[in-house]
Amino acid sequence: ETGVTQTPRHLVMGMTNKKSLKCEQHLGHNAMYWYKQSAKKPLELMFVYSLEERVENNSVPSRFSPECPNSSHLFLHLHTLQPEDSALYLCASSQADSGQFFGPGTRLTVL
Amino acid sequence: AQKITQTQPGMFVQEKEAVTLDCTYDTSDPSYGLFWYKQPSSGEMIFLIYQGSYDQQNATEGRYSLNFQKARKSANLVISASQLGDSAMYFCAMRDLLRGGATNKLIFGTGTLLAVQP
Repeated sequence: ETGVTQTPRHLVMGMTNKKSLKCEQHLGHNAMYWYKQSAKKPLELMFVYSLEERVENNSVPSRFSPECPNSSHLFLHLHTLQPEDSALYLCASSQADSGQFFGPGTRLTVL
Repeated sequence: AQKITQTQPGMFVQEKEAVTLDCTYDTSDPSYGLFWYKQPSSGEMIFLIYQGSYDQQNATEGRYSLNFQKARKSANLVISASQLGDSAMYFCAMRDLLRGGATNKLIFGTGTLLAVQP
């Protein structure tokens, strides 16, 4: 039980669809992160939020749009994705410079 | 630039035996942190153990221990008395501080797939 939840756990969408991934942390942390994990590649950091302010955007295409309405919630809005965007999307949270705690991930398939 | 290298794509170990998973790192920062995570087939990244660059002793957490050799820039994970449930991907990661330490990002290695055999 890590205290970080993600919904949905699995998502299949077409290239013209719009969907959102949700992450919620119950640990009282002040930073949240989105990572992408593709097959046979290291985890790639996408976005970092600290106190609801985005502090890093790792050259992520604009078809991925993050939103952090408060310190407990993080969303990743998806639109007009490509098949190569199919991956496991992991959310994590941390407090200051502590280790990161991850959610179970959303396995996304883009048809 | 910071970098994590895991040279073992896959490892086998017999149940109840110990296994060492290799990790080397590269950084010019004097202060850094090293992590190991376990990722079972379900996908969740589970935090196992942490080693700070200034820690005098090797970190231990139950059956997990970290063999930290600072001069060689290695941080190998040792799992003692392997269990079938230890079968998973294992990732070594380094912390890169952002915003003066207010947040951090993790640089991950490519992982090692461990298979525990009965």
